[in-house]
Amino acid sequence: KAGVTQTPRYLIKTRGQQVTLSCSPISGHRSVSWYQQTPGQGLQFLFEYFSETQRNKGNFPGRFSGRQFSNSRSEMNVSTLELGDSALYLCASSSGSSGSETQYFGPGTRLLVL
Amino acid sequence: KQEVTQIPAALSVPEGENLVLNCSFTDSAIYNLQWFRQDPGKGLTSLLLIQSSQREQTSGRLNASLDKSSGRSTLYIAASQPGDSATYLCAVSPAYQLIWGAGTKLIIKP
Repeated sequence: KAGVTQTPRYLIKTRGQQVTLSCSPISGHRSVSWYQQTPGQGLQFLFEYFSETQRNKGNFPGRFSGRQFSNSRSEMNVSTLELGDSALYLCASSSGSSGSETQYFGPGTRLLVL
Repeated sequence: KQEVTQIPAALSVPEGENLVLNCSFTDSAIYNLQWFRQDPGKGLTSLLLIQSSQREQTSGRLNASLDKSSGRSTLYIAASQPGDSATYLCAVSPAYQLIWGAGTKLIIKP
């Protein structure tokens, strides 16, 4: 079974631009979560989707948004990029029905904002 | 607010030693606790998941315990090997998210 895939793997953007990251979960998984990892703040939860519905959202500004499609693939969007948005963005998938299943992570998208 | 702490932040031991990594959390209302490893520049690999009703889980040389009442978990690594060098992170799951510790960077010296 293929693992979680994330595209692109690397991105360089400038302040004020917007960016869209994509995540394809493991086949059959219906839950997708997004996390931001930075050296200063560590890993922080962004949001979680299950069957196209957002079930939970972390404490991030409204510039961060996401969605999930009917095939469980998910995208996250960051608008009006700031230097502090430079981070590794990780996507995880799980079967997700109860919210307590093992989460499987993709390799991440490394975003650099200049 | 749930807070997760991992001690020590870094650990360097000779190959072959048994070692214990610690994780503590402030709110016992969790669904489960997971241990992950992260290799430099890479994503996260799930090692063990302990449901809130369980006390421990084992996989190969790894054993994780959970004491919800005291808000503590330990990851025991037996007979450490250089390939075990990585950052180990614990995360607790309240509902539909993971709350993370800062990790323990482990170096196993050959």
